[in-house]
Amino acid sequence: EAGVAQSPRYKIIEKRQSVAFWCNPISGHATLYWYQQILGQGPKLLIQFQNNGVVDDSQLPKDRFSAERLKGVDSTLKIQPAKLEDSAVYLCASSSDRGHEQYFGPGTRLTVT
Amino acid sequence: GNSVTQMEGPVTLSEEAFLTINCTYTATGYPSLFWYVQYPGEGLQLLLKATKADDKGSNKGFEATYRKETTSFHLEKGSVQVSDSAVYFCALSDLGGNEKLTFGTGTRLTIIP
Repeated sequence: EAGVAQSPRYKIIEKRQSVAFWCNPISGHATLYWYQQILGQGPKLLIQFQNNGVVDDSQLPKDRFSAERLKGVDSTLKIQPAKLEDSAVYLCASSSDRGHEQYFGPGTRLTVT
Repeated sequence: GNSVTQMEGPVTLSEEAFLTINCTYTATGYPSLFWYVQYPGEGLQLLLKATKADDKGSNKGFEATYRKETTSFHLEKGSVQVSDSAVYFCALSDLGGNEKLTFGTGTRLTIIP
């Protein structure tokens, strides 16, 4: 069974530029999560989807971050415009349903200069 | 709100030494508790979990017991191997809510031969 796929693996951009990350969850998984992991900290949930609906986006900085999960499968996370403090690893995870084990992708490491 | 406090690292041990990584938590209600591991270059993987007080989670020689009276979930292994070198994250999930994971800051473990 294929795991959670993410791309790109690495991205370097200048502040005020835009960037997008892509996540393909495990086939059939209804729940999808985006986490932000700043160096030296544990991952922090940004947004949770159940199929194509948002369950929790309380910690998503909505003035610059957006995410969508069209058709309830793939998801994209966008930052526009980026700030220096957005430098982090962005992790995508999926689970078969709410409350079930989460499987993590390898992450996208973003560096904002 | 929920929080997880984890033993700071890095931790360096010799092969076959005994390992303890401390983890305490603050939560409303009755959370589930987890240990995740991140091997170099890989995504987060669930190592073990416990869903109620006095439960013991175990996997790959690692164990942790859910102690409600001390709000702790310490990770232990009797004899570590070089292959155990990784970053370990303690986490909790409030399954009564939206089951998002709250992580500790992680402990980097290095085992030397």
